[in-house]
Amino acid sequence: GMPVEQNPPALSLYEGADSGLRCNFSTTMKSVQWFQQNHRGRLITLFYLAQGTKENGRLKSTFNSKERYSTLHIKDAQLEDSGTYFCAGLTNAYKVIFGKGTHLHVLP
Amino acid sequence: EAAVTQSPRSKVAVTGGKVTLSCHQTNNHDYMYWYRQDTGHGLRLIHYSYVADSTEKGDIPDGYKASRPSQENFSLILELASLSQTAVYFCASSEMDRTNTEVFFGKGTRLTVV
Repeated sequence: GMPVEQNPPALSLYEGADSGLRCNFSTTMKSVQWFQQNHRGRLITLFYLAQGTKENGRLKSTFNSKERYSTLHIKDAQLEDSGTYFCAGLTNAYKVIFGKGTHLHVLP
Repeated sequence: EAAVTQSPRSKVAVTGGKVTLSCHQTNNHDYMYWYRQDTGHGLRLIHYSYVADSTEKGDIPDGYKASRPSQENFSLILELASLSQTAVYFCASSEMDRTNTEVFFGKGTRLTVV
């Protein structure tokens, strides 16, 4: 299967709602990064995790290397959260492999 | 903040022509990567390098060459550009030591092959 399986592929939320994205890895990853790609195509790093959980404002991410998954939670979604979110895992061969992304649309 | 600079930021190339995309990083990172992104899709690894004068094939290396003449510079070369190579290309770098494996990306190069 795909080394990085990201779900859901697309997500629509109303403003103020909470939701989560998930990446499952087919192999052990050394670390994971979550990115938001904005409308200009820039990749903005949201989180870098070698293990555990990090929070930043309305965002929270968890990486469980042993169970081979990572999650990104968005709380109180805002219009500016719309965009595409990617997870990327670092393999033991130091290749950074991306998921296919989640297209998030926050509705007013 | 690590700085990864790509040039050019956009380019139109003719089918069959040679294209060179350049990437420069100023943070003494050992690892550098080239990815392509097709519209509406994720990033796929083309080539990467962990030391100067050496490159490794990524997941989709066909039709591309890479060159790492120095630690700071990593180029992606399309010897015979084809229509299917129209995409946005991203360069990235990382220290990749035992305690820090965060990857930093450039702003991307939009390549259109006509």
